[in-house]
Amino acid sequence: EAAVTQSPRNKVAVTGGKVTLSCNQTNNHNNMYWYRQDTGHGLRLIHYSYGAGSTEKGDIPDGYKASRPSQENFSLILELATPSQTSVYFCASGPDRGRSQNTLYFGAGTRLSVL
Amino acid sequence: GEQVEQLPSSLIVQEGASVLINCSYTDSASVYFPWYKQEPGKRLQFIIDIRSNMERKQNQRLTLLFDKKTKHLSLHITATQPGDSAIYFCSASTGAQGLTFGLGTRVSVFP
Repeated sequence: EAAVTQSPRNKVAVTGGKVTLSCNQTNNHNNMYWYRQDTGHGLRLIHYSYGAGSTEKGDIPDGYKASRPSQENFSLILELATPSQTSVYFCASGPDRGRSQNTLYFGAGTRLSVL
Repeated sequence: GEQVEQLPSSLIVQEGASVLINCSYTDSASVYFPWYKQEPGKRLQFIIDIRSNMERKQNQRLTLLFDKKTKHLSLHITATQPGDSAIYFCSASTGAQGLTFGLGTRVSVFP
């Protein structure tokens, strides 16, 4: 099974501060994703990447940046954190098999609280 | 873009009963539909999938039905156990852009 590791698992940040969430996958998947999960909204896609050096905007990218420095690592960056970004963030990876076989493998999540 | 809806949002059953979760999608170009289970505080775990050229898929106590014409899926869980208590998510593949998820169905199984 794909191994996707997120750090930190829990984070408390202050409004206006910078937050970096990290994700590492060891299965050589081309594609990686950042989702946030909120009650009443399910999982929503923030950013994704096709490979090292690539980042793309998802459905709710405002207030977030992403970085993919290598095949294994994908970071989510909140330059100026706001309380509305309090959420649980999930990283996922998946093989590049197009829309016909796109099973994603998820990390354990990062619970972020912005005070 | 793709939209995925799930019903019901929650249900409570007694151990041994069956559960039916309904899901609908909007984009006729979606061809792959994986389902995930999320236990409290845990990561999403893949449980079953189906492709649009299939009508039915079974994996032990899970049966997934697909109707391409009506853009509707249903997940049937039989002989439920307390370990089946979780949130179940339907999703539709939008290619390399990942998955679009429904809001989830919270299933609670009581002994």
